[in-house]
Amino acid sequence: AQKITQTQPGMFVQEKEAVTLDCTYDTSDPSYGLFWYKQPSSGEMIFLIYQGSYDQQNATEGRYSLNFQKARKSANLVISASQLGDSAMYFCAMREGHSNDYKLSFGAGTTVTVRA
Amino acid sequence: AAGVIQSPRHLIKEKRETATLKCYPIPRHDTVYWYQQGPGQDPQFLISFYEKMQSDKGSIPDRFSAQQFSDYHSELNMSSLELGDSALYFCASNPRGDRGHNEQFFGPGTRLTVL
Repeated sequence: AQKITQTQPGMFVQEKEAVTLDCTYDTSDPSYGLFWYKQPSSGEMIFLIYQGSYDQQNATEGRYSLNFQKARKSANLVISASQLGDSAMYFCAMREGHSNDYKLSFGAGTTVTVRA
Repeated sequence: AAGVIQSPRHLIKEKRETATLKCYPIPRHDTVYWYQQGPGQDPQFLISFYEKMQSDKGSIPDRFSAQQFSDYHSELNMSSLELGDSALYFCASNPRGDRGHNEQFFGPGTRLTVL
């Protein structure tokens, strides 16, 4: 069964506007971590933000924030003030278990295109 | 800051040939992961190592093998290559047990093309 679901294959956003990328997850483990990675057309995987299952507050990193709704098992990424350089594929990923040496399970990704 | 190094960055092979991909983790990172990302797909976990021992195994074909060496670098050996093995292969690393480092640091990937 798919552990990470990203329902938006692609999105267009106007420069300087905010965009929300959806991510829902499925796990029975009470301890888990949620990640967002950015993959530009050049192919590298760039870490954006992390949310732990026991974290009380939503994670923020600059223009990136994570809307973590634990009861709904969702971890949506919000990119504020979009820039042309934000055009990329965005992956939501999950690590199950309390240790940080566990593998990541990725969603199918969402392609974001920022328009000038 | 030092990053994960992967070599080669691009590799072209014929069917039934063998390939070896190398990964050099960030210094003091003792855990290495390998992922395979097919065209238009999400990365799929292949295998991971901690302190030179295999720690987890995913959907890695029997034709593939991997190991981690005493200097913590890792190699992914792929034999009897098939067209479907064409993909971007990522290596990632992190320091196990360091709870302040939750992310896996990804290398730039090796793009393998099988003709």
